Amino acid sequence: SQTIHQWPATLVQPVGSPLSLECTVEGTSNPNLYWYRQAAGRGLQLLFYSVGIGQISSEVPQNLSASRPQDRQFILSSKKLLLSDSGFYLCAWSGGGAYGYTFGSGTRLTVV
Amino acid sequence: AQSVTQLGSHVSVSEGALVLLRCNYSSSVPPYLFWYVQYPNQGLQLLLKYTSAATLVKGINGFEAEFKKSETSFHLTKPSAHMSDAAEYFCAVITNTGNQFYFGTGTSLTVIP
Repeated sequence: SQTIHQWPATLVQPVGSPLSLECTVEGTSNPNLYWYRQAAGRGLQLLFYSVGIGQISSEVPQNLSASRPQDRQFILSSKKLLLSDSGFYLCAWSGGGAYGYTFGSGTRLTVV
Repeated sequence: AQSVTQLGSHVSVSEGALVLLRCNYSSSVPPYLFWYVQYPNQGLQLLLKYTSAATLVKGINGFEAEFKKSETSFHLTKPSAHMSDAAEYFCAVITNTGNQFYFGTGTSLTVIP
């Protein structure tokens, strides 16, 4: 069966520090991968998605970036965090269309 | 283009009462529709999905939803609310050729004892 792993679960980082969040999927090949952010009390904002290795689509201009170095690995990064980067980050994968999304357990990022 | 509207960002029901969470969609092609539930500090969990088979879809935890093409709706219902149903609920749409979901803004369900 397919599983998705996302870590860390919580993270407290100072303003201006770098960020690296990792997401890996097991049990499938060539998944579509996604990064979402939820600000407190708000809905889901799509940040990046990838349909293959090295293929990244950015939905929102920001100081975040994403990379897909391997088929089942998706990394969210920042060189310098801002206070506004605080939020709940979710990774998801999909086999397309009717398969829907499967979400990771999320990372609570607090920038202080 | 696809979009989803969830009417009511906050819904409160008494324990044992009917739960009705509304979702209307817009899609130029036949859609696939989904409901997800999110508990605090957790990822989203699939409740149920419509993928052009039966229009009445049954999901986990006693929830069901009916796809009504004429009303472009996919409302989520549960006959009797339980305290454990308190959570955030998201409706989402995708097409069979699409790569990304379009989520509604979510409905926070409170269950009053």
